[in-house]
Amino acid sequence: QVQLVQSGPEVKKPGASVKVSCKASGYTFINYGISWVRQAPGQGLEWMGWVSAYNGNTNYAQNLQGRITMTTDTPTSTAYMELRRLRSDDTAVYYCARGRTGIMITPSGLGNWGQGTLVTVSS
Amino acid sequence: DIQMTQSPSTLSASVGDRVTITCRASQTINNWLAWYRQKPGKAPQLLIYKASSLESGVPSRLSGSGSGTEFTLTISSLQPDDFATYYCQHYNSYPWTFGQGTKVEIK
Repeated sequence: QVQLVQSGPEVKKPGASVKVSCKASGYTFINYGISWVRQAPGQGLEWMGWVSAYNGNTNYAQNLQGRITMTTDTPTSTAYMELRRLRSDDTAVYYCARGRTGIMITPSGLGNWGQGTLVTVSS
Repeated sequence: DIQMTQSPSTLSASVGDRVTITCRASQTINNWLAWYRQKPGKAPQLLIYKASSLESGVPSRLSGSGSGTEFTLTISSLQPDDFATYYCQHYNSYPWTFGQGTKVEIK
């Protein structure tokens, strides 16, 4: 079955960087894209961006442009999200999620999710 | 960017009630809309895609409808498992924005 397993919680100081991993299994990694979604404490869901595991193409939310990089590593079937110049309002649970359908097919939502990674930014 | 607005923000209901949540897009998104349910401390779960298609394993008491800019999620008979927060999300174009969420709580 499809599984996305994320790396563990992180505590960072303002101005630092964090890199969260998302290891996929149970499907052909390069056939799908991975989205990253975050949720600040007590708040709603925020779509951060998408990366194609096929060719590395990305789309990022405008408010994160310049601070975020999403990548994939095919040999290990792992997606990564790096966020730089962290601020206190980046404190959130970060989720990776796989598209319900493959990248060659019209999108149809986010069908499989990782368990979430809590990133705390505090001095 | 396309903005998604859900209403209501909170909904109080009882087991057995019929409930409807509305999601409005700031411009047409055709039918490229998904609904998710999230329980506290858990990842969201896909319920509906393409506005009205039920994801595999999701109970048939949930249904989605709408097109263009206005969409609804209906639960025909609320069950204990349905008390959660619901989000809509469009995927018509990047960025794939979410609505702000609707919390369904026990009356």
